[in-house]
Amino acid sequence: QQQVKQSPQSLIVQKGGISIINCAYENTAFDYFPWYQQFPGKGPALLIAIRPDVSEKKEGRFTISFNKSAKQFSLHIMDSQPGDSATYFCAARKQESNTGNQFYFGTGTSLTVIP
Amino acid sequence: NAGVTQTPKFRILKIGQSMTLQCAQDMNHNYMYWYRQDPGMGLKLIYYSVGAGITDKGEVPNGYNVSRSTTEDFPLRLELAAPSQTSVYFCASGRGYSYEQYFGPGTRLTVT
Repeated sequence: QQQVKQSPQSLIVQKGGISIINCAYENTAFDYFPWYQQFPGKGPALLIAIRPDVSEKKEGRFTISFNKSAKQFSLHIMDSQPGDSATYFCAARKQESNTGNQFYFGTGTSLTVIP
Repeated sequence: NAGVTQTPKFRILKIGQSMTLQCAQDMNHNYMYWYRQDPGMGLKLIYYSVGAGITDKGEVPNGYNVSRSTTEDFPLRLELAAPSQTSVYFCASGRGYSYEQYFGPGTRLTVT
């Protein structure tokens, strides 16, 4: 059972355009929602993260929008560049009081930005 | 800082063989994680550890074992390898209750 659902599976955007990736979840116990960027042959790297009590977080060209009532969140990449071409994963963290953190990842979105 | 290191980078195993994937971190993180990444499936948590001597199962622990005798090292053991364990394995580490994880470069494992 996929705890975090991500769409689309792949995305092609023109240079300078806006890339939008969407995620949805059901478990209200999740308390942090990070996004990771992964280049081919590398491990994922944290891009940006948000708490569920915040509706938007912006870091440079990357913005997370969060809709707590709909249990949905999305990543917007403004002014997309060819160097942004990578796979993006949304994730959700669940804290267990005795055993620590568990993270659940979406299935990933392969973004291609064409010049 | 080397960050999170994993060895080997690639490995081919025959069905029924065993092996240990090594993971080490030099950031003094207490949390460490093992994930597997399959095409179109994202990352699935296999096991995690909140400190030396403490480990717990994640979403997909069957067929794997872990141990954590030091803060730095978190090896993943595959016993009786099966084709279903063909995957890319990532180790990660993090501080306390931080939401940030630092990932290693991965180990690509093929079981034939």
